[in-house]
Amino acid sequence: DVKVTQSSRYLVKRTGEKVFLECVQDMDHENMFWYRQDPGLGLRLIYFSYDVKMKEKGDIPEGYSVSREKKERFSLILESASTNQTSMYLCASSSRGKETQYFGPGTRLLVL
Amino acid sequence: QKEVEQDPGPLSVPEGAIVSLNCTYSNSAFQYFMWYRQYSRKGPELLMYTYSSGNKEDGRFTAQVDKSSKYISLFIRDSQPSDSATYLCAMSLFLSGNTPLVFGKGTRLSVIA
Repeated sequence: DVKVTQSSRYLVKRTGEKVFLECVQDMDHENMFWYRQDPGLGLRLIYFSYDVKMKEKGDIPEGYSVSREKKERFSLILESASTNQTSMYLCASSSRGKETQYFGPGTRLLVL
Repeated sequence: QKEVEQDPGPLSVPEGAIVSLNCTYSNSAFQYFMWYRQYSRKGPELLMYTYSSGNKEDGRFTAQVDKSSKYISLFIRDSQPSDSATYLCAMSLFLSGNTPLVFGKGTRLSVIA
């Protein structure tokens, strides 16, 4: 079975802090994605990556950056956390040539 | 007009009912269609995957795609309380791995025992 893990289930940070969210997948998938999910807004794509050291902006990249130094790991960085970044963050991965994405359990981030 | 429209619900049905969940879309180029199930405080999990038009059945679940109407459906027969979750539709242009999925906002379903 595909396994996507995220470093934290719950996280509380202060406004202005730099926040790192880590995602690791164990299926040698080429593609990795970061989403945020908010009530009434659904899943929104922040960034995605099709290969190591490659990244593409999604629909809402402002205030975020990403890093993919290894194939299995995709990090989301909030450079200076703000309260409007309080959300559920979901990581996903997929194999090249396959449309189906596999999701991690999510990280609930609260920015105070 | 949003690319994918999905009624958010909530939808509440008695145990044993047949449930119909639907999405409409505007981009006729979509070819791959998926349904994900998301339990509360968990990540979405893939439930069904369909290419182009037609039906696909898996146990109590049937996925239906009508490309002429730009309409997809998920039917759940003999619904159970364990089916209570949010159901998200997703679709894609083509099997390239380079085109992100487009998701509906999800329909919240409650099956009452």
